[in-house]
Amino acid sequence: SQTIHQWPATLVQPVGSPLSLECTVEGTSNPNLYWYRQAAGRGLQLLFYSVGIGQISSEVPQNLSASRPQDRQFILSSKKLLLSDSGFYLCAWSYGASGTMNTQYFGPGTRLTVL
Amino acid sequence: KQEVTQIPAALSVPEGENLVLNCSFTDSAIYNLQWFRQDPGKGLTSLLLIQSSQREQTSGRLNASLDKSSGRSTLYIAASQPGDSATYLCAVSDRRDDKIIFGKGTRLHILP
Repeated sequence: SQTIHQWPATLVQPVGSPLSLECTVEGTSNPNLYWYRQAAGRGLQLLFYSVGIGQISSEVPQNLSASRPQDRQFILSSKKLLLSDSGFYLCAWSYGASGTMNTQYFGPGTRLTVL
Repeated sequence: KQEVTQIPAALSVPEGENLVLNCSFTDSAIYNLQWFRQDPGKGLTSLLLIQSSQREQTSGRLNASLDKSSGRSTLYIAASQPGDSATYLCAVSDRRDDKIIFGKGTRLHILP
């Protein structure tokens, strides 16, 4: 069976500090991978998605970046955090092959507080 | 540009009642529509997925309908229970890729 892991579960960082959130998927190959953010009072927002190693699409211009160094590893980074980066970050995966249902499966999330 | 709207934003109902959550989308060229549940501070759980060629899906006490032409979906919850309290999110998938667009959700509170 497939599982998705995210860490850390919670994180408190000062403004201007760097960020690295990690997401890994087990039990499947060549998944599509996604990073979402849910900020207080707002809907879920897609930040990045990836259809393969080294292939990253950005949906929202911001001070965040994403990388996919391995097939089942997705990393969300920032060089300098802003207060507005606070929120709940969710990683998700879906089957990448065409013709399959593209249900997205979500990880447990990381709650980031920037002070 | 696809936009997803959910009404109401919040809903409180007594235990045992049947209820309906509404979702509307502006572009009918969708691949599928999903309903998710999110418990506070946790990840999302997929409840039901309706392909664009389908009209409804059922799982237990949940029934989701899809009317693509009018850009609407409803999530019907029968015999509500306190454990149903959560935020329910509607999301549509673009026909051209795997991206999905979420509504802002309906916060549901079932009163014991």
